[in-house]
Amino acid sequence: DIQMTQSPSSLSASVGDRVTITCRASQSISSYLNWYQQKPGKAPKLLIYATSSLQNGVPSRFSGSRSGTDFTLTISSLQPEDFATYYCQQSFSTLTFGPGTKVDI
Amino acid sequence: QVQLVQSGAEVKKPGASVKVSCKASDYTFTDYGISWVRQAPGQGLEWMGWISADNGNTEYAQKFQGRVTMTTDTSTSTAYMELRSLRSDDTAVYYCARLAAVGVYWYFDFWGRGTLVTVSS
Repeated sequence: DIQMTQSPSSLSASVGDRVTITCRASQSISSYLNWYQQKPGKAPKLLIYATSSLQNGVPSRFSGSRSGTDFTLTISSLQPEDFATYYCQQSFSTLTFGPGTKVDI
Repeated sequence: QVQLVQSGAEVKKPGASVKVSCKASDYTFTDYGISWVRQAPGQGLEWMGWISADNGNTEYAQKFQGRVTMTTDTSTSTAYMELRSLRSDDTAVYYCARLAAVGVYWYFDFWGRGTLVTVSS
């Protein structure tokens, strides 16, 4: 099975900061990588699919990239509504999630 | 706007079964799959499996094989997830999500609000 890891597991940031979250796959998954945002008590929300494609309605401050088996979610200028937990998900083989990264103040 | 409306919270005893429903609206149900994802209290997201609403084909995560059954009723645009032999560690919020694709890239673009299943004696 493909294992997904995320780093850091949590981070503290301020409004306006540039934030980077990394997701690593245990083997090559090409560009089969999605990112979701989840706020407490709410369902996850799709942000990015296929590594770098922005879902409709998602602000352009969110972006995704890939280097080999390492994937990055970047928030260019953190906004108050961005404080949440972020999950990566691979869709190369089954649809497993990473463990999440909590972004708080 | 696409909606996935899930059934209400359930409390079950260990060893029992639970069946959660997910009613879809505002899209052609058979054009997409439905996946089920659960989240234990304070934990991350765990994919359980998915079902094609078109032909009923299923794929289950190995962890749940033999204990989970996913079905659909195309006449009512409703998906179901039944989990049997419940244990206390099955206590979680269970989400349904629409499985969409662009080419070969699959993702969950709409989610239900979740159904809390509590397993307790």
